[in-house]
Amino acid sequence: GAVVSQHPSRVICKSGTSVKIECRSLDFQATTMFWYRQFPKQSLMLMATSNEGSKATYEQGVEKDKFLINHASLTLSTLTVTSAHPEDSSFYICSALITGYSNQPQHFGDGTRLSIL
Amino acid sequence: AQTVTQSQPEMSVQEAETVTLSCTYDTSESDYYLFWYKQPPSRQMILVIRQEAYKQQNATENRFSVNFQKAAKSFSLKISDSQLGDAAMYFCAYRSAGTYKYIFGTGTRLKVLA
Repeated sequence: GAVVSQHPSRVICKSGTSVKIECRSLDFQATTMFWYRQFPKQSLMLMATSNEGSKATYEQGVEKDKFLINHASLTLSTLTVTSAHPEDSSFYICSALITGYSNQPQHFGDGTRLSIL
Repeated sequence: AQTVTQSQPEMSVQEAETVTLSCTYDTSESDYYLFWYKQPPSRQMILVIRQEAYKQQNATENRFSVNFQKAAKSFSLKISDSQLGDAAMYFCAYRSAGTYKYIFGTGTRLKVLA
């Protein structure tokens, strides 16, 4: 149980393109989801906390107009990288908390590798 | 601000042997949670084990156990009877009881030698 699915798993696109990444909780409701960025051989850095029905909370230094987050339902959060440039190339991972079980661990998706040419 | 430190960038262990991965953290809080996550080459983060700070007893999950030393702010992971499938990046994570956010360490790459 507690499966989180990310789509796409890999995307390659041209500079200037906007890219949308989906994070879905398949067998549970998730009021709160998280978006992380991971550079090669480095740790996960939290970008933002996504809350269903309200605005996301961004970490310091993360451009909210660059990384648009929408959490319109209890099972789906999306991250849109707007006007992507090569420096946005990275591995993006989402995670989710089961609604009502906030003391439980985060459940992670399998990530999206974004490559901007 | 809380920090998590993993001082071993890479470790190796012979198959069937035991290995211990180190993690230290810094916090002024008394109520928090600690986690070990595994990230295999497939890149999905998998929960290995968790520990509540208020519990004195060390958590165990089959071949995985922790040595939680609250006063020393240390949270090491012991893997017994290592298997080839244990090869992965291991991340230690801290979560304050008052927030849902994780703070991750920099990770330890574990190699298992046949």
